[in-house]
Amino acid sequence: QSVLTQPPSVSGAPGQRVTISCTGSSSNTGAGYDVHWYQQLPGTAPKLLIYGDNNRPSGVPDRFSASKSGTSASLAITGLQAEDEADYYCQSYDRSLSGSVFGGGTKLTVL
Amino acid sequence: EVQLVQSGAEVKKPGESLKISCKGLGYNFPSYWIAWVRQMPGKGLEWMGIIHPGDSETRYSPSFRGQVTISADKSTTTAYLQWSSLKASDTAKYFCARRFRGSTSPYFDPWGQGSLVTVSS
Repeated sequence: QSVLTQPPSVSGAPGQRVTISCTGSSSNTGAGYDVHWYQQLPGTAPKLLIYGDNNRPSGVPDRFSASKSGTSASLAITGLQAEDEADYYCQSYDRSLSGSVFGGGTKLTVL
Repeated sequence: EVQLVQSGAEVKKPGESLKISCKGLGYNFPSYWIAWVRQMPGKGLEWMGIIHPGDSETRYSPSFRGQVTISADKSTTTAYLQWSSLKASDTAKYFCARRFRGSTSPYFDPWGQGSLVTVSS
């Protein structure tokens, strides 16, 4: 059971928009800690996708965006492409655990 | 280019010891915390702990404290994750990642390629 809750899977057709939610609690996301997002393509290491709630590292397309409100955060992907098919993880800090925590991951399928 | 290069795959028997490595390249290694993250087969990411290579200060997730040891050698820009007595349940891929402080919570970039550890009799 992950500290941050994500849906196990989402899907969408090419060109569509999908969102992935990430729900925490008052000791992590609800305490004002930033949520970060990672993309893990099949068989590869995770890659930082969004940091500090909605900042993209160099090279990440602006089709990816994030938002946060209260205990929940979400990742939005617009103009879905086949290459976006991957696992997506949210991550934050938990003050009760005094460490970083991840969501359980969401598998995105491009139909 | 900033890189973290991890040691290769390992196949061990239960009860054996193991130390895997993560070498930092292209940046000031002592200045950035390094995290270790576990990914069990078909499962998600789990934060295990972090080390500051500059002074070897270490912090562990409660789930992993006492189960593994994290260390670092700043002279060789290498961080380590070790087990004294492996269990079958330690079978997983282990990633290292450089930690950035962030404005309110840390994040991780880049990540090593992962080290697959298989424990089987």
